[in-house]
Amino acid sequence: DTGVSQDPRHKITKRGQNVTFRCDPISEHNRLYWYRQTLGQGPEFLTYFQNEAQLEKSRLLSDRFSAERPKGSFSTLEIQRTEQGDSAMYLCASSWETTDTQYFGPGTRLTVL
Amino acid sequence: AQTVTQSQPEMSVQEAETVTLSCTYDTSESNYYLFWYKQPPSRQMILVIRQEAYKQQNATENRFSVNFQKAAKSFSLKISDSQLGDTAMYFCAFMKQTSGTYKYIFGTGTRLKVLA
Repeated sequence: DTGVSQDPRHKITKRGQNVTFRCDPISEHNRLYWYRQTLGQGPEFLTYFQNEAQLEKSRLLSDRFSAERPKGSFSTLEIQRTEQGDSAMYLCASSWETTDTQYFGPGTRLTVL
Repeated sequence: AQTVTQSQPEMSVQEAETVTLSCTYDTSESNYYLFWYKQPPSRQMILVIRQEAYKQQNATENRFSVNFQKAAKSFSLKISDSQLGDTAMYFCAFMKQTSGTYKYIFGTGTRLKVLA
């Protein structure tokens, strides 16, 4: 296993468009996390899954954002009607338990024009 | 609400010297976890070191060690024998899970540059 992967690595879109990102965690990890990181800031927690169940959602995750992990493996994060304020790096991480080390993916950099 | 503060936006250190990065946090919890992560330029974030709050002994990982002062809510990272590869952003993070409520809070980071 080569670690956490994310696709695409970069996405440029126009305001109002929908975008979807994918995260493939380390295969034996049942916890999966999404974060958003803007320039000069630390990552901000968005949501996390235990297997296919979404257990926690940050208030940062507006109703334009939705995340799924349908089979407890890969996850998708969709942003509808993108806004310029959505421009950021979206990071995915996975772990076995929530108290365990989180392994991060390379991130998807979103630019909304 | 929990907060994590890193008061040093940028630091530099000469190769082979020792540097200490500071982190303070605010919480009313007694059991939690603290982490230092490293994010090299254009590379993935990786864990440097972790500390469980219930452990009094400071964590160490090779050249990296922490000074955990629970009463003062301080969690500093010491890097000994600094290497050029240590150049990166360093983030302090706090984690707490209580009855299904999960909080993972990062500081704003310290940019460390190791000089040859």
